[in-house]
Amino acid sequence: GNSVTQMEGPVTLSEEAFLTINCTYTATGYPSLFWYVQYPGEGLQLLLKATKADDKGSNKGFEATYRKETTSFHLEKGSVQVSDSAVYFCALSPNYGGSQGNLIFGKGTKLSVKP
Amino acid sequence: DGGITQSPKYLFRKEGQNVTLSCEQNLNHDAMYWYRQDPGQGLRLIYYSQIVNDFQKGDIAEGYSVSREKKESFPLTVTSAQKNPTAFYLCASSDSPTDTQYFGPGTRLTVL
Repeated sequence: GNSVTQMEGPVTLSEEAFLTINCTYTATGYPSLFWYVQYPGEGLQLLLKATKADDKGSNKGFEATYRKETTSFHLEKGSVQVSDSAVYFCALSPNYGGSQGNLIFGKGTKLSVKP
Repeated sequence: DGGITQSPKYLFRKEGQNVTLSCEQNLNHDAMYWYRQDPGQGLRLIYYSQIVNDFQKGDIAEGYSVSREKKESFPLTVTSAQKNPTAFYLCASSDSPTDTQYFGPGTRLTVL
């Protein structure tokens, strides 16, 4: 079946440190991949997405590359800020048959950035 | 401003009572979704609707019901049959089932 595994948190970094949050997936066919961010007490916001192999999604200094050979979609940012503190979710959308539209989420990784 | 609204933000319910959570979108999206989020967990799909007057069960539909009488509205009823309803509920919508989903701000339901 389809599944998403992302690194356990919490992750604590100092401001301006480099961030990597690992995400790997299991899926049939060619899913679309997403990173969402959730700030405390709020809904999810789309951070970036990629719809085919080797695509790179980017937004607000965050990047992730769709790697089919390693079934990965790791999130990176070169220099984090305190305002990046949030929970980050990796998700996939299967693109076949009756599963279209069903987002499959990882459990989320909480990031805390200290000044 | 286009977006998704959910109300109320906080909801308290006594055991044995049904309660309805509201979700409205003005994005003209065809597809709408309900997810449940528990602490330390990812989101799990409760129900989804790809078009008006049609909806399908997700992974955890037991104890929940929905309706889709209007394109912009997708209310979720948490019934007394739901054994552990305390959670954060998120509504989402997308232009089509294969397009990006956009989320509302959520409703936190607490059963007393």
